[in-house]
Amino acid sequence: GAVVSQHPSWVICKSGTSVKIECRSLDFQATTMFWYRQFPKQSLMLMATSNEGSKATYEQGVEKDKFLINHASLTLSTLTVTSAHPEDSSFYICSARVGGTDSPLHFGNGTRLTVT
Amino acid sequence: DQQVKQNSPSLSVQEGRISILNCDYTNSMFDYFLWYKKYPAEGPTFLISISSIKDKNEDGRFTVFLNKSAKHLSLHIVPSQPGDSAVYFCAATLYSSASKIIFGSGTRLSIRP
Repeated sequence: GAVVSQHPSWVICKSGTSVKIECRSLDFQATTMFWYRQFPKQSLMLMATSNEGSKATYEQGVEKDKFLINHASLTLSTLTVTSAHPEDSSFYICSARVGGTDSPLHFGNGTRLTVT
Repeated sequence: DQQVKQNSPSLSVQEGRISILNCDYTNSMFDYFLWYKKYPAEGPTFLISISSIKDKNEDGRFTVFLNKSAKHLSLHIVPSQPGDSAVYFCAATLYSSASKIIFGSGTRLSIRP
């Protein structure tokens, strides 16, 4: 069964508005969660590593003021796309590791964001 | 610079035959490799992994082969089934820094009846 739940699965918003995406770990605690972005026909690109109780670590080229990450509890991380623009339209996926560092990532089902 | 490459964007295989998906990497420091399967509008699902100390790992119909000297790995699916039709992502990571997984661009596998 699914171990990582992501909500919403799709969202359409107007340019200039902000959108929040939630990622929850089910039946386990995740001190670290990861946020990815996928453009059509391209690879999953790691955006940031979300750490419970501390600031997220962003990958090079990802604007931290644009993509706000909050990991306030051991089962919830949120990604907020602020002042969204059409170029932010993409598929956003979160993931978490159930076990130690040698266990594979489990992914949420993703959120398709469309900014009009 | 793509560190993990899947040069075939698509592959079509007849049901019952073997599907072979290929992946190349450039970073010799990678020591752990994974394959994920992804259906449309869903997140990737872990399929199988292999450590660099091995050259083969088998799980049911799925076998992953690793050729470190060639920096190449492949996923074999046999026999191929209609439900195997999906996009397959190859991924690589450093065991010591396993949070950072580098994905390939994916190969769309279609199984023909």
